[in-house]
Parts: sequence; structure tokens; C-alpha cells
Amino acid sequence: GAVVSQHPSRVICKSGTSVKIECRSLDFQATTMFWYRQFPKQSLMLMATSNEGSKATYEQGVEKDKFLINHASLTLSTLTVTSAHPEDSSFYICSARSPKLRRDGTEAFFGQGTRLTVV
Amino acid sequence: AQKITQTQPGMFVQEKEAVTLDCTYDTSDQSYGLFWYKQPSSGEMIFLIYQGSYDEQNATEGRYSLNFQKARKSANLVISASQLGDSAMYFCAMRGNFGNEKLTFGTGTRLTIIP
Repeated sequence: GAVVSQHPSRVICKSGTSVKIECRSLDFQATTMFWYRQFPKQSLMLMATSNEGSKATYEQGVEKDKFLINHASLTLSTLTVTSAHPEDSSFYICSARSPKLRRDGTEAFFGQGTRLTVV
Repeated sequence: AQKITQTQPGMFVQEKEAVTLDCTYDTSDQSYGLFWYKQPSSGEMIFLIYQGSYDEQNATEGRYSLNFQKARKSANLVISASQLGDSAMYFCAMRGNFGNEKLTFGTGTRLTIIP
């Protein structure tokens, strides 16, 4: 089946530095990718929707300048957390949407997630 | 706006018993999709089952079935013959019409299977 690869799975960085997280669709072209954030023991909250070749659409309350999203190709979207602070520590997970709407609903595939710790 | 409500923060079930995880939703879209995902401690989101709003029959996938009651706006997940490996967080999610394709998630239910 379709696979989405997210890298890295874990990252620890110093406060003030930037971290880049990659989300790749391995065997299909993803016209749309979504980035979610999940705090411990909470649900997934959509941060932004990224469409190939255009600017990302951010959800209300998400800082565009802090969470930079680039969807430069149909198989790769990146999330860069700029000037990271301890409060940015969280689990970030991407999903990639295949342009085909499948009958079983699995048109959106999730990456493995990235656990970011800012110290 | 779409909203998903999961009212059971945690459940404990004896191994081999069936379990029902509740999910209610609210949407103004005429066409929508309902999903259940399993999230083990590793964090990955594992797709379990999908129900389209116009599907007349309840979806089934192996030990998973979705009890879809459109008039009540509920989409409960039923796991038959539970196994220890079923212990995880379970999220109900909804997708709206084309053009509104992002997933909205519920708060999740932590299921623990007791040996």
C-alpha cells in the first residue's frame, strides 16, 4: 500500500535553533499534505494544509513565521520550526493525500511522526 | 464547522470480549467521510476503517466494524474478540466535502485490554 515517510522520528534541539521535518510520499504523488501537532495525551490538531506549488494555508492561531511549510514537489513537504522554544516541544505528524479518492477512505496516509524536544 | 465528540477518555476491557468505542459528529456537509484510527504508544496513526456518508451498509474490516447511525450522527467502532495488542489510543475523525478535505479529530479513547 501507499507509504508516507517522515523524518526524523525524534529530534532534540537547543532553544533558539531551527529544526526541519520532512514528509515524503513514497509511491504516489501527493497534491495535498497536512501537518498536525499533538500534545501529550491530546488529539491531533491541524496546523496547516500544504498544496504543491502554492503557499500553505494555516489554521487560526498557528504562527506562519514560526512554522514554515514548503511543498516544493509532489512527493515532499517540509515543516521548519524556526527559533524553537521549549513550548514548541510536541509530536508533529504529517499526512499526505493521494489525488485519487479511494472508496475505502484511505486517501490520506500518515507519516510515523516526529517527537521534537527543545531544551 | 465539523465537530467530533468522543465521550470515553478511557476504557478497560477483558481480553476476547467485544468493545464499542463511541463517536458522535456534527457537520453541515451533505457528503462526508468518517474514519477510525489507532495510535499505539509509538505514535503512528494506523487507519482502521472508513464509512462514507452515503454508504448504506456499515463498514467492516476484519475484527473492526463501524456502527453508522446517520440520523443519530453516530459512528461507533466495534472491536470483536479484543486482543492485548488492541491496547492503544483510538481516534474518530471526519472529512468533509471536496474542498473541505482536512480531517477533524476527536479527543480519543484510551483502550486497555486486560489479560
